[in-house]
Amino acid sequence: QSALTQPPSASGSPGQSVTISCTGTSSDVGGYNYVSWYQQHPGKAPKLMIYEVSKRPSGVPDRFSGSKSGNTASLTVSGLQAEDEADYYCSSYAGSNNLVFGTGTKVTVL
Amino acid sequence: QLQLQESGPGLVKPSETLSLTCTVSGGSISSSSYYWGWIRQPPGKGLEWIGSIYYSGSTYYNPSLKSRVTISVDTSKNQFSLKLSSVTAADTAVYYCASSQQLVIFDYWGQGTLVTVSS
Repeated sequence: QSALTQPPSASGSPGQSVTISCTGTSSDVGGYNYVSWYQQHPGKAPKLMIYEVSKRPSGVPDRFSGSKSGNTASLTVSGLQAEDEADYYCSSYAGSNNLVFGTGTKVTVL
Repeated sequence: QLQLQESGPGLVKPSETLSLTCTVSGGSISSSSYYWGWIRQPPGKGLEWIGSIYYSGSTYYNPSLKSRVTISVDTSKNQFSLKLSSVTAADTAVYYCASSQQLVIFDYWGQGTLVTVSS
């Protein structure tokens, strides 16, 4: 199985929006509505930000939103804040009780 | 709220078996609501799912690691464990344990533990 493809980096100024893509295949992202997004600050454990494509866990700001079209999922961070600077990883169910993560995207707040 | 904590040796020799334990507090590992998983992250690289276990003992492994991985649960200690055999330098990583809903949604994570494979 191959990792889902994410852009290595993305950036935006405070208050702006940034969108990160996560591209897979019809066997993973495109085949199931089980895409999750995780935020990871340096030296810390990942934190669940989005699950089942667009659902937010309790406590996650509504500035974070998720969507999916075909084999590509997206995470949008609106109203960028300094604390949003982190690495972001997508993941998807890949069938047969299998899970695959994305390659990761470093978001920089300019 | 669940809390998870990894423990185990930080240094393992090549060809030996890596063994880690995750202790769960704030909830029962026997809960039917959760799967319990292991994820690793090589230094400077991305996340890789290793495998997961349900409280009943059903296991689910990454196909690329399946031949070397064993995950087990000890309900009496509220712990689950990872064994990875025949390790090489490529297995050097921060290893995280986590709880997950529906196998694929990791909502609570341990802080992670660095395991280095070196002679």
